[in-house]
Order: sequence, then structure tokens, then C-alpha cells
Amino acid sequence: GAGVSQSPRYKVAKRGQDVALRCDPISGHVSLFWYQQALGQGPEFLTYFQNEAQLDKSGLPSDRFFAERPEGSVSTLKIQRTQQEDSAVYLCASSLGEGRPQHFGDGTRLSIL
Amino acid sequence: AQTVTQSQPEMSVQEAETVTLSCTYDTSESDYYLFWYKQPPSRQMILVIRQEAYKQQNATENRFSVNFQKAAKSFSLKISDSQLGDAAMYFCAYRSNHNYGQNFVFGPGTRLSVLP
Repeated sequence: GAGVSQSPRYKVAKRGQDVALRCDPISGHVSLFWYQQALGQGPEFLTYFQNEAQLDKSGLPSDRFFAERPEGSVSTLKIQRTQQEDSAVYLCASSLGEGRPQHFGDGTRLSIL
Repeated sequence: AQTVTQSQPEMSVQEAETVTLSCTYDTSESDYYLFWYKQPPSRQMILVIRQEAYKQQNATENRFSVNFQKAAKSFSLKISDSQLGDAAMYFCAYRSNHNYGQNFVFGPGTRLSVLP
């Protein structure tokens, strides 16, 4: 596709359930980023991939958060045993590589009941 | 760690007028990039303008320009001839130019309203 695609656009889950959020980066983009954006705040970095390698996961808030990009293209962010504080918009961004501009998807709005 | 501060949670401007959004940042690095992103209610982050720290000349993109003061660690955005479509959240962002620090550090945002 022409842009970064994220699915689902909205996700509602009960506390304690596991969720999986998908990101399809722009074709050929080597770098992929996940951000978490709480309501009324700026995005906060979660993790960064270069191809299939997860180079930085320092922003993941707990071991309940797990991200993968097994073939260096599509990425999945998984949250286990969700809690109410996980409610946020999760943004994915991709770029051609180091130093190149990041292109953002529309995000997935996650609501934990 | 780098931090980005936007001291104006909300701003408003009359259509066709000029408005300046403030941003300050803290870093010990000398090589980095600064960005302004716009986020309309649709949520997609749209790049407005970017500035390389090693360039002294302020970046300009049509009606958008920046005032980059490296010593003061200040990076303000000026929007000239404001249009209704400029209404959005504006985020200032910092990105290191080192391989390890490729992620953005965002400020908390400024909500801009444009009054007809």
C-alpha cells in the first residue's frame, strides 16, 4: 500500500485478555517503530526494529508487552493480561532506514474495560 | 535522556493571522534532528517541517517556518496566513542522529484552534 497500515483501527478488550495489534509498513522500509499515545499526550517510544532485528525495546513498559517482526516486514505488538492503564492509541511508523523520515500509520485505539 | 517541552497546551489564532508555537528541548548531543508534526483528529501524524541541528539556516516549508536557536535549545514553529485546516495538535519532536537513538522523543503537544 501507499502508507503504513494498522489494524484493527479500534480494539475493545476486557481486562486480563491478550490483544495483538498489527502494523504493515511501507514496502521496502527497513525501520519500524511502535509508539504509545495516551489521551491528550504526545506519543512515547516503545520499540524499534531494523529489518527483523529488535534493536531497542527500552520503551516497553512491562514484560506483558511483546513485539515481533519475524520476516522484516509486518510487525505485531502483543499485550498480555491487559490492564486499564494499557488503554491508549498505539502508533506504528516506518522509514527507509537510519536518518530517513518516519511515516506514521493511523494508529489502533485500544480500550480496556 | 533527551526531553522535549511544549509550554503552551492550547493556542488560538484568527484565520489569516500568524501564530508561533514554542518548543524547548534538552540534550547533551550535538548531532540531531528536530521536527514539527501535525496530528488532526483523524490521528495520522503528518510531518510539517524538520531541521538538522548542524544547519544554521532555519527551515521553511511554504507557510511554515522555524526559529532554531541551538544554544538556547529552542525550536519554535511559525505558521503564517493561518487556515482553518491548520487546526490540529502540534507535536515537537527530537531524534538523535546516532544509530541507537533512532526513535522520536515527542513533546506533550499544543492544540491549535483557528478561528474564522
